[in-house]
Amino acid sequence: DARVTQTPRHKVTEMGQEVTMRCQPILGHNTVFWYRQTMMQGLELLAYFRNRAPLDDSGMPKDRFSAEMPDATLATLKIQPSEPRDSAVYFCASGTTLTGPRRTEAFFGQGTRLTVV
Amino acid sequence: SQQGEEDPQALSIQEGENATMNCSYKTSINNLQWYRQNSGRGLVHLILIRSNEREKHSGRLRVTLDTSKKSSSLLITASRAADTASYFCATDAYGAQKLVFGQGTRLTINP
Repeated sequence: DARVTQTPRHKVTEMGQEVTMRCQPILGHNTVFWYRQTMMQGLELLAYFRNRAPLDDSGMPKDRFSAEMPDATLATLKIQPSEPRDSAVYFCASGTTLTGPRRTEAFFGQGTRLTVV
Repeated sequence: SQQGEEDPQALSIQEGENATMNCSYKTSINNLQWYRQNSGRGLVHLILIRSNEREKHSGRLRVTLDTSKKSSSLLITASRAADTASYFCATDAYGAQKLVFGQGTRLTINP
């Protein structure tokens, strides 16, 4: 049963601390997305990768956020330093892109609920 | 920025009735997708409709796409309590190669 795995599921941290969220995409998927969900902003695309290369991280605050894919089985999203306004649910999703017409169905993980106090 | 916007923001109906949700978007797309999110869970893909398609069915789901109006609708027929969830449209914009989601419609099915 292939699924996207995110860890941790919940994280409470103090303002100023570093937070690292991890994602294991579905084996064979070549696209990874990071989304942030809040009541006010809904689902925001933070960054996404194709074949481990970052394609677009324009939705991510560059001064404190960073996203990487050290290898094909791991994607990370780091926040340093964290702030209360970063409190949200962070979702990782993976998918494949077929040649045209493109198809980018995304398979979502369960999310990491981050609370910064 | 949001590409798709769903309407209504919230919908409450009786079990057995049909539920219709709408999505509008701004730019040319390769495809449009609908997802469901149960409370506290991740999103689950429901159906994908390509830009050259006008209607698609999957079980009790019916999706239409009008590219001239840049809009799509999701119809759930014979609703059930288990359909209670938030529903999101997502667009794969032409040339962008990424999925952008709308704000979602919160659907409540009353028994």
